[in-house]
Amino acid sequence: EIVLTQSPATLSLSPGERVTLSCGASQSVSSSYLAWYQQKPGLAPRLLIYDASSRATGIPDRFSGSGSGTDFTLSISRLESEDFAVYYCQQYGSSPRTFGQGTRLEIK
Amino acid sequence: QLQLQESGPGLVKPSETLSLTCTVSSGSISSSSYYWGWIRQPPGKGLEWIGNIYYSGNTYYNPSLKSRVTISLDTSKNQFSLKLSSVTAADTAVYYCARAPSYGWGSVGAFDIWGQGTMVTVSS
Repeated sequence: EIVLTQSPATLSLSPGERVTLSCGASQSVSSSYLAWYQQKPGLAPRLLIYDASSRATGIPDRFSGSGSGTDFTLSISRLESEDFAVYYCQQYGSSPRTFGQGTRLEIK
Repeated sequence: QLQLQESGPGLVKPSETLSLTCTVSSGSISSSSYYWGWIRQPPGKGLEWIGNIYYSGNTYYNPSLKSRVTISLDTSKNQFSLKLSSVTAADTAVYYCARAPSYGWGSVGAFDIWGQGTMVTVSS
């Protein structure tokens, strides 16, 4: 099973700042099959990025993903108030599909 | 726009079987383009993949739950279902159903559409 480790666990930032979230895998993720999701309290996760760097439908271009192998990142170029949430990475290159433990992005 | 909606009992007794249904609207679960999955999230914790099913009926389960999980399709009702047997308090969670694209040759993409989730509590 591939273990995904997200860092940091919590980030406190202000609107307008740039942020980079990290997701490290215990083994190489096949074909860069890695996704990023955003989750707000009481809501289902929303797909932001798939295949490591492709934006999902309707996702603003301030969100970008990169990486391959065991190291992946999600960047948000200029934080807006609606971006403060929990972010999860997920690999779907091998079974079982696994998620990271999440990074909480909070307003400073 | 395709939508998914979970339904089922919100309270299940320990040792019994949890049964949930996901109704798909504005789209067909019989499409070869997609897999259908279940994911859960214990209160205040992260996400755990439970399993997927393809339109053919082929299923793929998380080994940690495989002995207790059954996922099935009902194409006549455009629904798919989850059964989890011998539940304990550790199975208390919000259960989500979701869709994932087929990449072909058994490869499955990320979950692109999710239901709103349903809270299931295991308690006597």
